[in-house]
Amino acid sequence: NAGVTQTPKFRILKIGQSMTLQCAQDMNHNYMYWYRQDPGMGLKLIYYSVGAGITDKGEVPNGYNVSRSTTEDFPLRLELAAPSQTSVYFCASSKGGMNTEAFFGQGTRLTVV
Amino acid sequence: DAKTTQPTSMDCAEGRAANLPCNHSTISGNEYVYWYRQIHSQGPQYIIHGLKNNETNEMASLIITEDRKSSTLILPHATLRDTAVYYCIVRVQPGDDYKLSFGAGTTVTVRA
Repeated sequence: NAGVTQTPKFRILKIGQSMTLQCAQDMNHNYMYWYRQDPGMGLKLIYYSVGAGITDKGEVPNGYNVSRSTTEDFPLRLELAAPSQTSVYFCASSKGGMNTEAFFGQGTRLTVV
Repeated sequence: DAKTTQPTSMDCAEGRAANLPCNHSTISGNEYVYWYRQIHSQGPQYIIHGLKNNETNEMASLIITEDRKSSTLILPHATLRDTAVYYCIVRVQPGDDYKLSFGAGTTVTVRA
């Protein structure tokens, strides 16, 4: 049981490039989330999904896109990378509902230069 | 959203109990209190959660005041590996209950 798996672990992008951060979970969770964490700061919600085919914006969605075609996968797409997107990105999943816990991946450290 | 207030940082001695306070004075009756922690560079880790009653698991105890306006996370015998940022979170209302909102948390440093 791998839990939440994120790839890649590290990536350096040039300004204007695009990339997709991958996230997969094997717990059959309906809810999945993408967060970013800037150095010394708390986590900020980018996008979330409550099930396959359903996504919604969080606090800081600008510059990102997501899709949820399967229960297991929730990729995050960065179009036209900017230095402000330098951050650590965490994916998480939960069964859902008020009384459940979330499981987090180990993060993707992204640097845009 | 019910917001939470936590101290920015605290130290504790290895082997002693660490008591982490959290204020959530605007909490609603059906909102749970969750605690997560984040050890440096790792993804956040779930610790414990509760609604009204005190809760205990293998990691920690959660004490919630009777009026539910505050709570305390207790790490009974802190070790150096407990050094982390601890987040107190209140889950938002039903209909919006799938989002976890993290604040700045409390940076806990366990000293030998």
